[in-house]
Amino acid sequence: EPEVTQTPSHQVTQMGQEVILRCVPISNHLYFYWYRQILGQKVEFLVSFYNNEISEKSEIFDDQFSVERPDGSNFTLKIRSTKLEDSAMYFCASRRDGPNNYGYTFGSGTRLTVV
Amino acid sequence: RKEVEQDPGPFNVPEGATVAFNCTYSNSASQSFFWYRQDCRKEPKLLMSVYSSGNEDGRFTAQLNRASQYISLLIRDSKLSDSATYLCVVVGGGNTPLVFGKGTRLSVIA
Repeated sequence: EPEVTQTPSHQVTQMGQEVILRCVPISNHLYFYWYRQILGQKVEFLVSFYNNEISEKSEIFDDQFSVERPDGSNFTLKIRSTKLEDSAMYFCASRRDGPNNYGYTFGSGTRLTVV
Repeated sequence: RKEVEQDPGPFNVPEGATVAFNCTYSNSASQSFFWYRQDCRKEPKLLMSVYSSGNEDGRFTAQLNRASQYISLLIRDSKLSDSATYLCVVVGGGNTPLVFGKGTRLSVIA
């Protein structure tokens, strides 16, 4: 079964450092997403990406965050200057085309710990 | 008011029990509804979609009441492997993102 692959599985970084979280979506999927889940909290939407541009973003996704699809396979989330409150599980997800196709596949996540 | 509300639980039930989870959503324009399952420190995984007519998948039955903005999940004959957090998820339609509830934790005890 096709998978969404995320690396690294766990990253520890110092406050103020930049981090890049990497995702390889399923190859024939066209819509890509980042969600995050702070420990003990709900899964929250960060950003959606389609046709090489951001299609929607939440208020969490401020200027410290950016996304890129540099080479047609990887989909990255960059946090420019991490804060303690950025510590969370970050999930990448992708789905196939079609506005009513909600067959999302989530990656296994990157646990980001900011110290 | 929270967009998607669920009873956080935990629900501790013996094997073989029937357990029901409820969920309410605030956006009356929501168009698609799902139950996801999340194991501890793992990614959410789609359990089933929820349709207005109600739908069943083995031991799992989902119901949607649009008028009351209420969704339910019934698990019959609970197994130890059903222990997880069950997430109610709502979508506004089109390309709008998934909106998750905080989840209801289920522990099935031998």
